[in-house]
Amino acid sequence: EAQVTQNPRYLITVTGKKLTVTCSQNMNHEYMSWYRQDPGLGLRQIYYSMNVEVTDKGDVPEGYKVSRKEKRNFPLILESPSPNQTSLYFCASSLWAARVDTQYFGPGTRLTVL
Amino acid sequence: LAKTTQPISMDSYEGQEVNITCSHNNIATNDYITWYQQFPSQGPRFIIQGYKTKVTNEVASLFIPADRKSSTLSLPRVSLSDTAVYYCLVGDLSGNTDKLIFGTGTRLQVFP
Repeated sequence: EAQVTQNPRYLITVTGKKLTVTCSQNMNHEYMSWYRQDPGLGLRQIYYSMNVEVTDKGDVPEGYKVSRKEKRNFPLILESPSPNQTSLYFCASSLWAARVDTQYFGPGTRLTVL
Repeated sequence: LAKTTQPISMDSYEGQEVNITCSHNNIATNDYITWYQQFPSQGPRFIIQGYKTKVTNEVASLFIPADRKSSTLSLPRVSLSDTAVYYCLVGDLSGNTDKLIFGTGTRLQVFP
């Protein structure tokens, strides 16, 4: 089944403890993105990747890192999480540029930073 | 990046047609218009995409006037399961960026 998977689905952590949220797609898509969603603010793009080893900042990249060492995986890294990074996170992928192609979203990761 | 403006919320009843309009005054020549649907605690799901005039698929229609400064998503005969948030995006292939702005979307509530 074609899908985007994220792990973990739920995570409660404490300020400053490094964490990684994994994202994997099995559709051989070139493009991948990370978004965060907060009440009243809609979806905001954190980082995106247009190909392996190519990543760039989205709208709200501060406090996050990403890597794209292989096409299928696009992990989101929070080196020192803070409470303002408590949010619902979505990973997405698309075969072509997300600006003009269908994005497929993962199920989401709900992160709470205490 | 072209900014989009949508109504914050809309209400409807089952069986009615719902039209959600998105304003994108600064749309560029090469921009496409895409709509997504999102249910609570789920990732958005693609509904429809268009460039000009009218596009129809099995779930919706998209109307784009000649000046392309707005677009209207039309949902025929909505049901309770169409209660969701609907996002309008514009984007193009020019440049070497894939930045996207989703905005806050339109929350559609369908009543029985």
